[in-house]
Amino acid sequence: KQEVTQIPAALSVPEGENLVLNCSFTDSAIYNLQWFRQDPGKGLTSLLLIQSSQREQTSGRLNASLDKSSGRSTLYIAASQPGDSATYLCAAGLSGGGADGLTFGKGTHLIIQP
Amino acid sequence: NAGVMQNPRHLVRRRGQEARLRCSPMKGHSHVYWYRQLPEEGLKFMVYLQKENIIDESGMPKERFSAEFPKEGPSILRIQQVVRGDSAAYFCASSQAQGAANYGYTFGSGTRLTVV
Repeated sequence: KQEVTQIPAALSVPEGENLVLNCSFTDSAIYNLQWFRQDPGKGLTSLLLIQSSQREQTSGRLNASLDKSSGRSTLYIAASQPGDSATYLCAAGLSGGGADGLTFGKGTHLIIQP
Repeated sequence: NAGVMQNPRHLVRRRGQEARLRCSPMKGHSHVYWYRQLPEEGLKFMVYLQKENIIDESGMPKERFSAEFPKEGPSILRIQQVVRGDSAAYFCASSQAQGAANYGYTFGSGTRLTVV
């Protein structure tokens, strides 16, 4: 059974800092890994999708990496802004039979201090 | 493209009533997934459907919960005889046929169910 863990559970940093959010998964047989952002009381916004054959994806100030062999992914946020404050969720899509859905971590609650 | 549409956004039910949650996938998407997010918990997979077919319901509670995705109309998640423990945010996601691996999932804004 796939398990996804996100560290840290919460993070508070001053505006302008670069930061790294960590995600680990137990089953390396994934077909993709997706990072989402969730604002309080809102839905999920997809940030980056890394396919199993890729090692990283970039979008603006965000960069996500994937290391299947070690079961890890990181989300790097450059020059953080108060508007980046949200909960960041990592989700692994497992290949093979069974559920075709995603296994989510519990998220990292990020606060960027102005 | 309106994205994944879920309604209602908020739903309040008394214990023992029925809750019906609706999800219209993105245009061109034929795969629908339902997830539940309990307070202080991560999102948990419930069920995966294609038109008129339940593909995987391994995450659905055995009783009181059912889901459908008819040929016409939205996908429906139905909870009968709700209890306080059903209070949660229910999210729907959709993907292109055989496209989840390449294009990922698009999520709706969720329905927040409160059982009083």
